[in-house]
Amino acid sequence: ETGVTQTPRHLVMGMTNKKSLKCEQHLGHNAMYWYKQSAKKPLELMFVYNFKEQTENNSVPSRFSPECPNSSHLFLHLHTLQPEDSALYLCASSQESTVNQPQHFGDGTRLSIL
Amino acid sequence: GQQLNQSPQSMFIQEGEDVSMNCTSSSIFNTWLWYKQDPGEGPVLLIALYKAGELTSNGRLTAQFGITRKDSFLNISASIPSDVGIYFCVQGGSEKLVFGKGMKLTVNP
Repeated sequence: ETGVTQTPRHLVMGMTNKKSLKCEQHLGHNAMYWYKQSAKKPLELMFVYNFKEQTENNSVPSRFSPECPNSSHLFLHLHTLQPEDSALYLCASSQESTVNQPQHFGDGTRLSIL
Repeated sequence: GQQLNQSPQSMFIQEGEDVSMNCTSSSIFNTWLWYKQDPGEGPVLLIALYKAGELTSNGRLTAQFGITRKDSFLNISASIPSDVGIYFCVQGGSEKLVFGKGMKLTVNP
């Protein structure tokens, strides 16, 4: 139990569907992150939120839309995805989004686009 | 941009053997982190290093922050089957962490 919970664990969707990934952290952290993990590639940072404000958007396509209603919850809204978007999506949190802050990860959502 | 080279990319060892892996960077930063990812789970922090030359142990794991600040190594002693997984080095010191590609460890009983 890492203190970061992601739901659903698995998701299969068509390219025209709309779905959302959810992340919740119980660690009292103020920063939350979305990462994409594809086979044989390093983890790719997608978004960073610090105290509910988005501080990083790593050139992510607009078909991915994050939402952070409070410091404990983070969503990733998905629409009109492409097959190359199939991957493991990991949420993480840390005390703040500054340097020298280890991040704690959830177990991810395995996303498959048909 | 910052690049991390993690080697080897995979290793197959026998239970009880020691294993060593390392990372080198093209840049100097203030933090080295080592994570392990088990199949079907997210990465879990093993060791965090914050000073050049720092040597830190966590049970059978030992990691060091290189003196040049551009490299780090992780050693696992007396490996056991549950050591299998992917080990990531991570470098920090700017606004975001940079992950290596990972080293997949297989331990044969």
